[in-house]
Amino acid sequence: QVQLKESGPGLVQPSQTLSLTCTVAGFSLTSYNVHWVRQPPGKGLEWMGVIWNTGGTRYNSALKSRLSISKDTSKSQVFLKMNSLQTEDTATYYCARNLNTLAVVMDAWGQGASVTVSS
Amino acid sequence: DIQMTQSPASLSASLEEIVTITCQASQNIGNWLAWYQQKPGKSPQLLIYGTTSLADGVPSRFSGSRSGTQYSLKISRLQVEDIGIYYCQQASSTPPTFGGGTKLELK
Repeated sequence: QVQLKESGPGLVQPSQTLSLTCTVAGFSLTSYNVHWVRQPPGKGLEWMGVIWNTGGTRYNSALKSRLSISKDTSKSQVFLKMNSLQTEDTATYYCARNLNTLAVVMDAWGQGASVTVSS
Repeated sequence: DIQMTQSPASLSASLEEIVTITCQASQNIGNWLAWYQQKPGKSPQLLIYGTTSLADGVPSRFSGSRSGTQYSLKISRLQVEDIGIYYCQQASSTPPTFGGGTKLELK
């Protein structure tokens, strides 16, 4: 059964760094790409970036200077790090698997990790 | 970035009614269009990809179509479990972008 689960701190102080982990099961990170998508409270979805099965990455240019995505294939974990957090980064952060196609189609999502940026 | 404009922003419909949600792309995206459903308090779930292909386990009352750069999601007979917010997403270019969402409620 395909599963993704995000974990990390629920509260981050302004200007600090957010670190989230996405632990996957039921598939291999050597075969599938994994995305990060976020959703501010009551708002829509924003694609943040992707780590490909090969280990390469691509980021949303709006976040590129602050964002880093990496993975540990042996542990089935994908990591997100974003620095210089501000209140507008308050959101639910999702990791999502890409369908086994070339197109960006996210066929399995984690439950989401709620992150509040506040002092 | 490609802009995806969804309409309506909200919609109230009765059980068994036909519901149509549209998504307008700011430029040609071919058939690189997906639809997601997000139920209250839950994560998004893939409904349709490649404009018309149903994701695994999605009921056949859902369908997708395209006319030029306008894309439509149709629910043929609305059920209670279909209530939620629907998002389109273009997969033609990076960054993939989402529509603003359509909130579907029961009348």
